[in-house]
Amino acid sequence: EDQVTQSPEALRLQEGESSSLNCSYTVSGLRGLFWYRQDPGKGPEFLFTLYSAGEEKEKERLKATLTKKESFLHITAPKPEDSATYLCAVHGSSNTGKLIFGQGTTLQVKP
Amino acid sequence: NAGVMQNPRHLVRRRGQEARLRCSPMKGHSHVYWYRQLPEEGLKFMVYLQKENIIDESGMPKERFSAEFPKEGPSILRIQQVVRGDSAAYFCASSPPWAREKGQPQHFGDGTRLSIL
Repeated sequence: EDQVTQSPEALRLQEGESSSLNCSYTVSGLRGLFWYRQDPGKGPEFLFTLYSAGEEKEKERLKATLTKKESFLHITAPKPEDSATYLCAVHGSSNTGKLIFGQGTTLQVKP
Repeated sequence: NAGVMQNPRHLVRRRGQEARLRCSPMKGHSHVYWYRQLPEEGLKFMVYLQKENIIDESGMPKERFSAEFPKEGPSILRIQQVVRGDSAAYFCASSPPWAREKGQPQHFGDGTRLSIL
């Protein structure tokens, strides 16, 4: 059964303090790993798609990487506006596009 | 606004009533997915539809829940005889027609918050 586990559940950083969020996954036949950002009261906002081990994607202060068992979302010199819940999801063995989500990491960046 | 549109944003129902949640996909997207987010839980897949077809309903509760995506108009998630446990945020997502072959990102609406009194 496809499974996604994110850690830590919550992370508090000072502005400028870089860190990484982890997403461990178990899936038979990865068709895509997705990172989303969710603000309170809003829907998930798409950030990145990764397809194969070794792949990296970058956008502003965020960089996503992928291995055969996990993905990392690196946040470099975060700002308070980066505060949000970050969700990881996989499209795996299901042939129907169903996404399996992790529980998310809630990031708070203090000025 | 070319994004996924959901309405209403908030819906309050009494136990035993029916709830209807609507979703209009992004322009050019013909695949619609419904997810539920219970308090303190992650997003859980419910159902995947294309126009006039249910492709995968493996995440739908067996009773009281149904979904449709007619040829014309929005996709509808219907919950009959609602109970307190149905209180949750319901999100709709859409993707383009070629999404199945290689995982394409799904784009989400801002959800409907359903509260059962």
